[in-house]
Amino acid sequence: EPEVTQTPSHQVTQMGQEVILRCVPISNHLYFYWYRQILGQKVEFLVSFYNNEISEKSEIFDDQFSVERPDGSNFTLKIRSTKLEDSAMYFCASSPRTNTYEQYFGPGTRLTVT
Amino acid sequence: AQSVTQLGSHVSVSEGALVLLRCNYSSSVPPYLFWYVQYPNQGLQLLLKYTTGATLVKGINGFEAEFKKSETSFHLTKPSAHMSDAAEYFCAVSPLKGTYKYIFGTGTRLKVLA
Repeated sequence: EPEVTQTPSHQVTQMGQEVILRCVPISNHLYFYWYRQILGQKVEFLVSFYNNEISEKSEIFDDQFSVERPDGSNFTLKIRSTKLEDSAMYFCASSPRTNTYEQYFGPGTRLTVT
Repeated sequence: AQSVTQLGSHVSVSEGALVLLRCNYSSSVPPYLFWYVQYPNQGLQLLLKYTTGATLVKGINGFEAEFKKSETSFHLTKPSAHMSDAAEYFCAVSPLKGTYKYIFGTGTRLKVLA
């Protein structure tokens, strides 16, 4: 069964460094999402992406964040200058179309900023 | 603003006992509703969803949930708990109005006692 994959599973970085989190959505899906979950808190929406552009973003998704679909398979989240409070589990999700509203989630990348 | 409340961050049940995980949402328009399960070190797996139609929905692993509009609830149940059900469970809503993002509850960690 097709699944969303994410790499790396765990990333440790120093404050101020740039990180790129990678996701490979399910191949025929059209809508892509990033969510994050700070330890002990709820899963929060960051951004949605469709047709090579951001369709929606949350207040969390400020200028430090960017997303890209550099080729036909990868979907990346970049944090330009990481802060301690960016430490969280980051989930990628994809959806085949809008009318099902069903999103398929990857296993997550745990980002630790020291 | 839309919100999702899951009562009980931790729930313990004996093996073979009824599982009841509570979820309430706030919305002026009934949203689409989802339950996801997260096993340790894994991603979010869809258990079941309600979009339209029958208000009692059945999902994987013997779980079911009933949408009650009058109570703005979507509680998750399973008649008989199994040890393998131990995991974290998230209720999520998709608000529908021009957005495809999910809004998650804080999660309920289910422990199954032998």
